Amino acid sequence: AQSVTQLGSHVSVSEGALVLLRCNYSSSVPPYLFWYVQYPNQGLQLLLKYTTGATLVKGINGFEAEFKKSETSFHLTKPSAHMSDAAEYFCAVIPHNGGFKTIFGAGTRLFVKA
Amino acid sequence: DTGVSQNPRHKITKRGQNVTFRCDPISEHNRLYWYRQTLGQGPEFLTYFQNEAQLEKSRLLSDRFSAERPKGSFSTLEIQRTEQGDSAMYLCASSPGNQNEKLFFGSGTQLSVL
Repeated sequence: AQSVTQLGSHVSVSEGALVLLRCNYSSSVPPYLFWYVQYPNQGLQLLLKYTTGATLVKGINGFEAEFKKSETSFHLTKPSAHMSDAAEYFCAVIPHNGGFKTIFGAGTRLFVKA
Repeated sequence: DTGVSQNPRHKITKRGQNVTFRCDPISEHNRLYWYRQTLGQGPEFLTYFQNEAQLEKSRLLSDRFSAERPKGSFSTLEIQRTEQGDSAMYLCASSPGNQNEKLFFGSGTQLSVL
């Protein structure tokens, strides 16, 4: 069965530092790939998604992610962290042959230090 | 676009009682999903509808759980004979209908079973 692994349940960075949140998926056929963000007391919202085409995908708030088929990865990055980036981030997939069900990883909570 | 609406926001109940949650999706969306989220975990798929048809139900979902979407608009999720292990955030999401479409989430219903 398709699964999503997020390395690190908590990541802490200083304001202005690089943000790197890791995501790996398990399937021989690359699925559709997503990153969602959940701010405190808010619903999940989409940051970015990869379906086809260019493997470097840009999202909202300066985030981007790169699909690497050889590594079955879809890591999320942002060059310079801002205090407002503190939130929980979820990597998610929709398998091509799995209907319309989105499968989520366990999430990574990002802390940003002043 | 008024977004996905869930009611109630919070529900406290005693073990053994039945509870029902409501979700109003974005009006033109024909897919509606229910997820459950516990602390420190990503959303766990429960079930989804395309219009009024329930197309998939998680094997993890016991027969105490039932969901309906009678007219292809709002949906209800009922839990009978609640148990303390049912305590979680119940999330509803909707999407327009293409397989690679993002999910639009509501703010969730927080269930506490005492």
